[in-house]
This record gives sequence, structure tokens and C-alpha cells, in this order.
Amino acid sequence: AQSVTQLGSHVSVSEGALVLLRCNYSSSVPPYLFWYVQYPNQGLQLLLKYTTGATLVKGINGFEAEFKKSETSFHLTKPSAHMSDAAEYFCAVVDQAGTALIFGKGTTLSVSS
Amino acid sequence: DADVTQTPRNRITKTGKRIMLECSQTKGHDRMYWYRQDPGLGLRLIYYSFDVKDINKGEISDGYSVSRQAQAKFSLSLESAIPNQTALYFCATSAGSYEQYFGPGTRLTVT
Repeated sequence: AQSVTQLGSHVSVSEGALVLLRCNYSSSVPPYLFWYVQYPNQGLQLLLKYTTGATLVKGINGFEAEFKKSETSFHLTKPSAHMSDAAEYFCAVVDQAGTALIFGKGTTLSVSS
Repeated sequence: DADVTQTPRNRITKTGKRIMLECSQTKGHDRMYWYRQDPGLGLRLIYYSFDVKDINKGEISDGYSVSRQAQAKFSLSLESAIPNQTALYFCATSAGSYEQYFGPGTRLTVT
């Protein structure tokens, strides 16, 4: 069965520092992978997605993620954190039946000045 | 206007009461979903529907029911609310490309 593990429930960085949020997945079929962001008191917004093709995926707000099949990973990065990046981030994989998304437990990103 | 709307945005209710959460969308998508979010647990699927005549249980459907009144409307009901159903509830839609679009959420408190 598909599953998603997000390493680190809370990540803290300084403004301008590299952001790295880790996601590992388990999938019995070629995975479709997503990163969503949730700002306080809001719904989830799609950051980026991997379906097929290029393994380095660029998203909104300067984020990108690299699909590494050999490592079953889909880590999210941003070269330079901004205060406005403080939010909760969720990694997700499409379930085996292709019917819904399976979400990780989320990582809260804090950015300090 | 938002593409996916949820009403109410906040609700406090008592144990044993029946409550309905409503979701409407203007995206024209066939697929609609209900999730609940609990701190530290991420989002878990309650029910999903691929068209008006299609209703499917998700991972945690016990204690919940749904109604797909139209392509654009998908309601979630708690027949007899209990405190451990206190959570943030999200509706989402999809056109079938797996990418989902979320509403702003309903914060439900059961006392």
C-alpha cells in the first residue's frame, strides 16, 4: 500500500537560509507525488507535483523538489527562506487505485529573522 | 470568488447533535472529497465521490455520512457528534488528474 513519511514534524530556519523538507514514499506503482502548503487558517494550496518526465520539479514561490526513485524520496527545497514561507507543508502520493491522495503528517516550517 | 467554498467556517456543537457541513464548487470538477485534519496526523480521507451517483468510503468513514446533491455540491453529516470528531474538515475537488483543490476548511468543535 502507498504511504508517505515526512521526516521532522518541525523545521526551523533563519531568513535567507536553505529550506529542506524531507519526504519519503512507499508505492507499488509509479508514484504521482505532490507538495501542498497550508498557511494559518487557510486550506491547502498546491506547491508542485511530479507525475512523469523531468525529475526536478519547480513550483510556486521559489520551491522545487526532486524525485529520486532509487531513494524513494521527494524532498522539497528552497534556496533562501523568507518569513512568508512559515507554514505547514504536506507531501502526498496518489493511492494505488488512483482514487485519492495519501498525505504525510506534515512539517511545520518556522522562519526567524 | 473562491472556487471551493465550505459552510460553516466554524461550528461548535454538543455531543449527540446532528450536524451537516456543506461544500460547493464552481470548478466544474466531477470528483469531490472530504478529509479531516488533526494535529500531527495530517489529512485523512473520509468519503469521496466521482459523480452524483457515486459515493465511496475512505479511510475513516465510521460516524460520518455524505450526500452528493449535484455535481457542484457535496455535504458531510455527523449523525450523532462525539468529542473525538473535533477537527478541521476540508472539502476538495479534482478533475481526475489527481491534483486536488481545497476549500478553506470548517473548524468543528464537539463539546
